[in-house]
Amino acid sequence: DGGITQSPKYLFRKEGQNVTLSCEQNLNHDAMYWYRQDPGQGLRLIYYSQIVNDFQKGDIAEGYSVSREKKESFPLTVTSAQKNPTAFYLCASKTSTMNYGYTFGSGTRLTVV
Amino acid sequence: AQKVTQAQTEISVVEKEDVTLDCVYETRDTTYYLFWYKQPPSGELVFLIRRNSFDEQNEISGRYSWNFQKSTSSFNFTITASQVVDSAVYFCALTLNQAGTALIFGKGTTLSVSS
Repeated sequence: DGGITQSPKYLFRKEGQNVTLSCEQNLNHDAMYWYRQDPGQGLRLIYYSQIVNDFQKGDIAEGYSVSREKKESFPLTVTSAQKNPTAFYLCASKTSTMNYGYTFGSGTRLTVV
Repeated sequence: AQKVTQAQTEISVVEKEDVTLDCVYETRDTTYYLFWYKQPPSGELVFLIRRNSFDEQNEISGRYSWNFQKSTSSFNFTITASQVVDSAVYFCALTLNQAGTALIFGKGTTLSVSS
């Protein structure tokens, strides 16, 4: 079945360490997105990519980095510069032919101690 | 710029009560899509409905109904005869009908239904 896989579901890291969250899709979607969720804050856009080797900053990109070397993959690195990295991270994808057909992964809950 | 406002942070009801979740949006574009998603405690987003800006027809799906009014920029969601399984965070979202845009979410409304 087609879908988006985010792994792992739970991730623990020590403060000061970089950590990379995985997002893989087999939907042949062109666009991919990373959102961060904090209690009471909704989902805020971190980065998005419309095509391979291209990506744009979202509303809260500081302290994060991404790459888009393959169409299927859009990993997110949470760097030590991110002051409050503990959050729930959701990845999404969308085909370029429909501006409304979003698919979401099941999320990764990152805890930095 | 686009914006989605869900003014109700938390709502608590007793089973079988009706409940309406409010959503107000802002955009200058004439072509856009509105969404409602449900997020149960497990965290995944469950798609409930999508509406395009040219379709103001209200929709009913079982116990769920949606009221879209462009005149007030609102897209409200009503659950009739609520059940405990309806307890979740509900998000309203907006996207434009153009490439290069993303879904913009409201802050969500946490609905608690008690038995």
